[in-house]
Amino acid sequence: DAGVIQSPRHEVTEMGQEVTLRCKPISGHNSLFWYRQTMMRGLELLIYFNNNVPIDDSGMPEDRFSAKMPNASFSTLKIQPSEPRDSAVYFCASRPTGQGDTEAFFGQGTRLTVV
Amino acid sequence: GDSVTQMEGPVTLSEEAFLTINCTYTATGYPSLFWYVQYPGEGLQLLLKATKADDKGSNKGFEATYRKETTSFHLEKGSVQVSDSAVYFCALKRAGNQFYFGTGTSLTVIP
Repeated sequence: DAGVIQSPRHEVTEMGQEVTLRCKPISGHNSLFWYRQTMMRGLELLIYFNNNVPIDDSGMPEDRFSAKMPNASFSTLKIQPSEPRDSAVYFCASRPTGQGDTEAFFGQGTRLTVV
Repeated sequence: GDSVTQMEGPVTLSEEAFLTINCTYTATGYPSLFWYVQYPGEGLQLLLKATKADDKGSNKGFEATYRKETTSFHLEKGSVQVSDSAVYFCALKRAGNQFYFGTGTSLTVIP
């Protein structure tokens, strides 16, 4: 398996623009997580889905952030409008639900820079 | 609530030195415990895990023992290499899907 695939790897955008980050989880994994990593706050869980349904979005910082999972093989994290403080590395992770202590598998991340 | 506390970094060691990175946790019940490693420019990768008290996880010369009495899961390696330079994250998972990560400890190994 190719692992969790994220795109793009790097994104530079201007303040106010819409940004869409994409994730393809590992086939058969029905739980998907979006994390944000910054120097100041470390690794923060933004939202996670189980069987394409958002279960916990309490980590989504504000209404400018939204996430969708239209099917089992694709998810998006959208920021509209983007702000410089959104600059971070965004990770997607997946795992098979109901398999005890199986770890979460991470993608390589998208480095977002908002100027 | 559930949480993980890691020792502050950064940590700088000479090659072949002994490594300990402390991790303690707060959780109800019996969580599973994990160490992840993040190499520069990469995502997090599982390094090792332990699922019940007194279990020892090990991989690539790294070890960690699940100590319920001290609620700890310290990471150790007897002789570090330059290639071990990375950021290390301790994490826990209780029943369900929720993972809780520590803030990460940066390790630099110098020749």
